[in-house]
Amino acid sequence: GQNIDQPTEMTATEGAIVQINCTYQTSGFNGLFWYQQHAGEAPTFLSYNVLDGLEEKGRFSSFLSRSKGYSYLLLKELQMKDSASYLCAVRDRNDYKLSFGAGTTVTVRA
Amino acid sequence: DGGITQSPKYLFRKEGQNVTLSCEQNLNHDAMYWYRQDPGQGLRLIYYSQIVNDFQKGDIAEGYSVSREKKESFPLTVTSAQKNPTAFYLCASSWTSGRGPNEQFFGPGTRLTVL
Repeated sequence: GQNIDQPTEMTATEGAIVQINCTYQTSGFNGLFWYQQHAGEAPTFLSYNVLDGLEEKGRFSSFLSRSKGYSYLLLKELQMKDSASYLCAVRDRNDYKLSFGAGTTVTVRA
Repeated sequence: DGGITQSPKYLFRKEGQNVTLSCEQNLNHDAMYWYRQDPGQGLRLIYYSQIVNDFQKGDIAEGYSVSREKKESFPLTVTSAQKNPTAFYLCASSWTSGRGPNEQFFGPGTRLTVL
């Protein structure tokens, strides 16, 4: 099984940078995903890491260290529309199912 | 347009009744999944299927049943045995082969309220 931890809430100012950490303990690992979920809506895919290092995609970057069981999602130049819940998910090595953390609610203030 | 549809968006049922939630995808994905989300919590896996006519229990399968008779469809039945059925239910699908992340795509969800 998987044990995934991430902070419950974070608040930041428009234009700033926020880093959301995710730690995991897993019996098997085949990739780590970050999803964004606005209230009452479906999660949407943001990023994927399977090898150590940083993946950059526009204002969003994601980092993975497999040896430390650690990832972070970096949101730069925050906009009001970035206010949402951010879900960290780990994929099992043996099949395609995901285990999700409880999510981090990010609130962007003007 | 390709995507995943779930219907209905809101569903109300009386306690003790079974109810079936619909999930259809036209993305030609092999795998389909059902999750439950409660307020302030992450997604918990109910059932998943990687191929037609086969499915596996997730972490919280008790009180639920599924079928996978067609590749495009993966309906979820919430039975009267489910003790706390009121929740937001999300269906997802993904590829299971080839290179790349094979990320899961989610439907819009069904919010079930049992009165």
